[in-house]
Amino acid sequence: GAVVSQHPSWVICKSGTSVKIECRSLDFQATTMFWYRQFPKQSLMLMATSNEGSKATYEQGVEKDKFLINHASLTLSTLTVTSAHPEDSSFYICSASRQAVLRGYTFGSGTRLTVV
Amino acid sequence: DQQVKQNSPSLSVQEGRISILNCDYTNSMFDYFLWYKKYPAEGPTFLISISSIKDKNEDGRFTVFLNKSAKHLSLHIVPSQPGDSAVYFCAASASTSYGKLTFGQGTILTVHP
Repeated sequence: GAVVSQHPSWVICKSGTSVKIECRSLDFQATTMFWYRQFPKQSLMLMATSNEGSKATYEQGVEKDKFLINHASLTLSTLTVTSAHPEDSSFYICSASRQAVLRGYTFGSGTRLTVV
Repeated sequence: DQQVKQNSPSLSVQEGRISILNCDYTNSMFDYFLWYKKYPAEGPTFLISISSIKDKNEDGRFTVFLNKSAKHLSLHIVPSQPGDSAVYFCAASASTSYGKLTFGQGTILTVHP
């Protein structure tokens, strides 16, 4: 089945530094990947749609200069949180699919970011 | 603006009984609906889905019902097992939105032995 690998699973960083999160589709090619964010006890909120070879599409209210997305290959999308602040601490999850939406997208295992 | 709502934050059920998780939506453009199961610090796992042209889809112990006129869907798990204890999210997608999913807030299901 489709496998999506996300790395790292957790990271602690200092305020003002940048953190890169990787999302890889291991056994299929994904022209589109999605990045979500989840605050404690809340829903998963779509941040952006990552398109291979072109610019990402950001949801309203998401700062594209703060959350840099790069989808340089059909198997890898990266999310870089730039100049991180404590309020950026959250659970970030990516998803990808090679099949119709009704078959369900595969999600990565998520990255717990803590900014101190 | 919460387009997908799960109004019950939690549900507690006895093992062997039926679990019914509910979800309401407001966006008429949604035509695909999915249910995911999630454990803490993990990504969601796909369970079952339904297209708006159907009103029921069944897969083993899981059945999803869709009432388009009421903009309501539900997930039935029968019989419930302790291993079903997790957070359940419903999600919706519009065929015009290129695969974007809008999630509800989630319902914590606890199945007691």
